[in-house]
Amino acid sequence: EVQLLESGGGLVQPGGSLRLSCAASGFTFRSYVMSWVRQAPGQGLEWVSTIGTSSDTYYADSVKGRFTISRDDSKNTLFLQMVNLRADDTATYYCAKDNDQIYSDFWGQGALVTVSS
Amino acid sequence: DSLLTQSPATLSLSPGERATLSCRVSQSVSRYFAWYQQKRGQTPRLLIYDASTRATGIPARFSGSGSGTDFTLTISSLEPEDFAVYYCLQRTQWSRTFGQGTKVEIK
Repeated sequence: EVQLLESGGGLVQPGGSLRLSCAASGFTFRSYVMSWVRQAPGQGLEWVSTIGTSSDTYYADSVKGRFTISRDDSKNTLFLQMVNLRADDTATYYCAKDNDQIYSDFWGQGALVTVSS
Repeated sequence: DSLLTQSPATLSLSPGERATLSCRVSQSVSRYFAWYQQKRGQTPRLLIYDASTRATGIPARFSGSGSGTDFTLTISSLEPEDFAVYYCLQRTQWSRTFGQGTKVEIK
């Protein structure tokens, strides 16, 4: 059974940093493209970042230069390092696994990040 | 980046009725297009990918069509569990963009 478990969310002040983790199980982690998608309270979905199986990385313009996606295939874990956080980064951050056609087909339950003073 | 515009914002229908959701892309940069369903308090569920291919386990009442800049999700006969928010997605090699969502609500 595929499982994705995010951790590391919380309350942080504007300008602060957080590191999200996503522990994966139930599939061959190293073989799949992984992504982070966020959803602000009561709002729609926003793609944040994707990392390929060769650790090639891609970012939304809104987070480029502030967020860094990475993966540790030896530990089946996906990361999102976030620095210089802003109020509009407040959202639930979902870790998502892609299918073979490179579409996110399984999502974790999310980690809430609140940026507020 | 492309802008994805979904219409209508809200669709009020009764169970058994047909639902037609639209997604227009501002510029056709990719043929890679998907539809997701998100129920309140739940994570998104992949329904359709590559514009018209149903994902694993998705009922046949869901169908996707379109190409270029205009895409459609059709639910042939709404079941009670289909009332939810639906998002379209376009992906390129370098980015992914979601539409703003269409809420399908019970009339």
